[in-house]
Amino acid sequence: AQRVTQPEKLLSVFKGAPVELKCNYSYSGSPELFWYVQYSRQRLQLLLRHISRESIKGFTADLNKGETSFHLKKPFAQEEDSAMYYCAGRGFGNEKLTFGTGTRLTIIP
Amino acid sequence: DTGVSQNPRHKITKRGQNVTFRCDPISEHNRLYWYRQTLGQGPEFLTYFQNEAQLEKSRLLSDRFSAERPKGSFSTLEIQRTEQGDSAMYLCASSLSTGKPYNSPLHFGNGTRLTVT
Repeated sequence: AQRVTQPEKLLSVFKGAPVELKCNYSYSGSPELFWYVQYSRQRLQLLLRHISRESIKGFTADLNKGETSFHLKKPFAQEEDSAMYYCAGRGFGNEKLTFGTGTRLTIIP
Repeated sequence: DTGVSQNPRHKITKRGQNVTFRCDPISEHNRLYWYRQTLGQGPEFLTYFQNEAQLEKSRLLSDRFSAERPKGSFSTLEIQRTEQGDSAMYLCASSLSTGKPYNSPLHFGNGTRLTVT
């Protein structure tokens, strides 16, 4: 079954420390992976997708097919990074996007 | 704001009543999706449209749920005979099907929060 797993419901990190939000997936073939972020009182918005290979707000994520992971990383956390983060995936050519349960990231000043 | 628009933002209804939500996608987007999100969970796929055609429905979408997109623009999601278990955030998203291997990502609305008492 197609599945995206985020093992951490909550993560607290001090400002300036590195951040890593974990995501593992279970898909056959070549999936497409995303990270979405939801700041307080705002809509769910795309943070980055694996095919873009770009860094958004200092965040990067690399698709590791061997470990079936798509972890989100940032070298130095900022207070404005506090938010809910969702990993999501879909099969190649498939429209159904499957979300993980989310990780609430809190940056401690 | 030219993003995805959902109305109403909040809906409180009594069990057994019917409710209808509306979603206006980004104007050039031909695909429209409905998701449901309950506390502590990520959004769960309900259904999606390409233009006016409903192409996929989740088994989560019981017979009491119906979605339409009559002219390929806005969409409505109706829940008949609401139950307390229907209480959730209902999210709408849209995207553009480009015909290329990778379609555009989903853009979400603010959602409609339904509370069934």
